[in-house]
Amino acid sequence: GEDVEQSLFLSVREGDSSVINCTYTDSSSTYLYWYKQEPGAGLQLLTYIFSNMDMKQDQRLTVLLNKKDKHLSLRIADTQTGDSAIYFCAESKIGNEKLTFGTGTRLTIIP
Amino acid sequence: DAGVIQSPRHEVTEMGQEVTLRCKPISGHDYLFWYRQTMMRGLELLIYFNNNVPIDDSGMPEDRFSAKMPNASFSTLKIQPSEPRDSAVYFCASRGYGQGLTEAFFGQGTRLTVV
Repeated sequence: GEDVEQSLFLSVREGDSSVINCTYTDSSSTYLYWYKQEPGAGLQLLTYIFSNMDMKQDQRLTVLLNKKDKHLSLRIADTQTGDSAIYFCAESKIGNEKLTFGTGTRLTIIP
Repeated sequence: DAGVIQSPRHEVTEMGQEVTLRCKPISGHDYLFWYRQTMMRGLELLIYFNNNVPIDDSGMPEDRFSAKMPNASFSTLKIQPSEPRDSAVYFCASRGYGQGLTEAFFGQGTRLTVV
């Protein structure tokens, strides 16, 4: 079955880079996602990567995928106070449209 | 489109009462998901529908929980009777096919408190 794990907390100084990590167990996962949840709000998609890719960059965001180790990371460059949120890793696969989410990592920005 | 719309945003009810949560998915989306979020268990998938038909309800915790999707634009999640341990934020999400399968779009959630 699917299992997605993340560390629960991360604190980063403003202006530094944040790296949020995720591991998953299902090798047939096809799509891997990063969602952001701000306080009192629903989840919003930040970015996603297909399993046949190693890296994807989108402005301040860089996603790295190590398929061999089933490890996904999200790097946020020049972290700002507005980046404070909970970040969820999720996976899905072709033929099964549900998303399985990790526990979420709460990112706190230190001024 | 206004996005996924959930109601109510907040619900406080007494133990033993029936609670009904409502969701309007994005028009044209074929898949609708109900998730529950708690501090202890994170985001759990309760049930999802495809074209109004329940596909996987293995996450529904007990018989006290039931979900329906009578048409493509409306779904309900009902808890009867409610218990304090049901207190959580309940999210509805929908997905569809555009140029391939789209991302899952989430509603704002319903914060349920059972006292």
